[in-house]
Amino acid sequence: DAGVTQSPTHLIKTRGQQVTLRCSPKSGHDTVSWYQQALGQGPQFIFQYYEEEERQRGNFPDRFSGHQFPNYSSELNVNALLLGDSALYLCASTRRTGLGPGYNEQFFGPGTRLTVL
Amino acid sequence: GDSVTQMEGPVTLSEEAFLTINCTYTATGYPSLFWYVQYPGEGLQLLLKATKADDKGSNKGFEATYRKETTSFHLEKGSVQVSDSAVYFCALSGRSGGYQKVTFGTGTKLQVIP
Repeated sequence: DAGVTQSPTHLIKTRGQQVTLRCSPKSGHDTVSWYQQALGQGPQFIFQYYEEEERQRGNFPDRFSGHQFPNYSSELNVNALLLGDSALYLCASTRRTGLGPGYNEQFFGPGTRLTVL
Repeated sequence: GDSVTQMEGPVTLSEEAFLTINCTYTATGYPSLFWYVQYPGEGLQLLLKATKADDKGSNKGFEATYRKETTSFHLEKGSVQVSDSAVYFCALSGRSGGYQKVTFGTGTKLQVIP
């Protein structure tokens, strides 16, 4: 059973460019979240997708956008790249349940290392 | 909003020493608590979790107890090994409108020397 996969592994872009990162969730999972991990920091929540819609969003500008496809895979797009966007971008997947107690574990992919020059 | 505070590193220990990494949190409601580990060049791995007060999570010799009265979830291990060298993240998961998101601390780097 493949876990969460992300592509590409590494990416180098220049300021002002646009980038698209991809994520395939773990089998059986329908919810995808994206996180940004700057060097030496903890991951910061960007947004979460379920049923092809953005359901939650962290404190990130509109330059960060996403998409979820019918097969539950997801893309993260970043426009007008800044030097400060250089980071490890992590995708996590889970299976959503209804309201109530309990937690569905999020499984993380290996990440995409984005360098902006 | 939710937040997690963990002790700053790096923490350097000799092999077989006792490990404690402190973690406290602020959250509304009843979050689930976690410790994740990140080895060099790799993604995050869930180390252990606790989903309600007084629960003890444990894995690979690591333990942490969910203390609601002190809003803490300290990570402990009785005897560390060189292979435990990594960055450890304390985290919590809360619900908002039925959707979960994970809030992480800044991480604590552990270096174990032979």
